Amino acid sequence: GENVEQHPSTLSVQEGDSAVIKCTYSDSASNYFPWYKQELGKGPQLIIDIRSNVGEKKDQRIAVTLNKTAKHFSLHITETQPEDSAVYFCAANPSGTYKYIFGTGTRLKVLA
Amino acid sequence: GAVVSQHPSRVICKSGTSVKIECRSLDFQATTMFWYRQFPKKSLMLMATSNEGSKATYEQGVEKDKFLINHASLTLSTLTVTSAHPEDSSFYICSAGGTGGFSYEQYFGPGTRLTVT
Repeated sequence: GENVEQHPSTLSVQEGDSAVIKCTYSDSASNYFPWYKQELGKGPQLIIDIRSNVGEKKDQRIAVTLNKTAKHFSLHITETQPEDSAVYFCAANPSGTYKYIFGTGTRLKVLA
Repeated sequence: GAVVSQHPSRVICKSGTSVKIECRSLDFQATTMFWYRQFPKKSLMLMATSNEGSKATYEQGVEKDKFLINHASLTLSTLTVTSAHPEDSSFYICSAGGTGGFSYEQYFGPGTRLTVT
């Protein structure tokens, strides 16, 4: 079955610096890769996603890159702000289905 | 758009009782809803997938008789934890997807924290 690995588990950056979180997946049939931000005690919020027919997608300070050959995708946050502090999860859809397998999460701390 | 609500947000119940959690898509019709469980500082674990009008599909290791899922309409799915035990205490989160076409996006509810005493 699909397995999604995520690194690092924790990440501290200075305000204004960039943050990069990486995920790898095992199922080559996966074709959709969302990223979610989860604040304490709340449900995950979709922040960006990418489909397998695209190599990169950007939305203001957030970008996602996908390398299908290597089966990994990354989240890039530039000009980080304290409000970016949260837990970030990547996910992939096994066998191209509508369900997700989540990565283990990255706790991002942006230091003011 | 794409707002999903859950009710209740918190519930405390006694061991042996059952508790029902509702998940509603407020501004769209969701053909598919998903139920997840999340332990403290852990990732989301998919429990089951439910499609409107049909039986839910449970992930391996999830007891279907313990976690009853009903998806009676395109805007409402319910999860009932039957004969709850302390080890069922967790954060339960639903998501709604299938907003139309070949959309893979899932929109998550705010979660329900269940504590079984």
